[in-house]
Amino acid sequence: AQTVTQSQPEMSVQEAETVTLSCTYDTSESDYYLFWYKQPPSRQMILVIRQEAYKQQNATENRFSVNFQKAAKSFSLKISDSQLGDAAMYFCAYRSRWGGGSNYKLTFGKGTLLTVNP
Amino acid sequence: NAGVTQTPKFRVLKTGQSMTLLCAQDMNHEYMYWYRQDPGMGLRLIHYSVGEGTTAKGEVPDGYNVSRLKKQNFLLGLESAAPSQTSVYFCASSSPGQPPSEAFFGQGTRLTVV
Repeated sequence: AQTVTQSQPEMSVQEAETVTLSCTYDTSESDYYLFWYKQPPSRQMILVIRQEAYKQQNATENRFSVNFQKAAKSFSLKISDSQLGDAAMYFCAYRSRWGGGSNYKLTFGKGTLLTVNP
Repeated sequence: NAGVTQTPKFRVLKTGQSMTLLCAQDMNHEYMYWYRQDPGMGLRLIHYSVGEGTTAKGEVPDGYNVSRLKKQNFLLGLESAAPSQTSVYFCASSSPGQPPSEAFFGQGTRLTVV
């Protein structure tokens, strides 16, 4: 079974600065997806960024980018130019690409609570 | 486009009472999931469905039942609520064989069992 570990329960950053959230995972599969979801106080789960394991290029979405290290099974999220609206719980998640059934479920880390200081 | 809608958004139950949470999606997704979120635990899968009329157990299925009589709806039932079922419940849907690959979530239901 796959596991996802987020080793930083809480992080803080000053507005306009850069912060990196860590995520490691364990899997025996070679083809899968990795995601970062944001959960603001509203509770809504919002997809931040997606990475396909078969792509070597790191995904980027505006101020959000990832450092995907497949051999090390590491998937960190970098937030540049942090804004007050980035304050939220961030979850790293894994999903198999193939296999059907329960393989398609998302396996989540325990989350990192990000505080942005003005 | 509503996406995934959960009802109710909040509920307080007494121990032993029963209730049903409704999840509806309008994206024609095959897969639907129920997760629970507890502090420090992330989201854990309760039950899931790969299509109309089919359901399967996830990580933490005890005390819950589900049904998927229509493709767009996925119901989560608590037959006899216990304080340990106090949690935030999320429904999600996806269509894994097609892009995009991510799951889409409802807004969550905060359930308190007293």
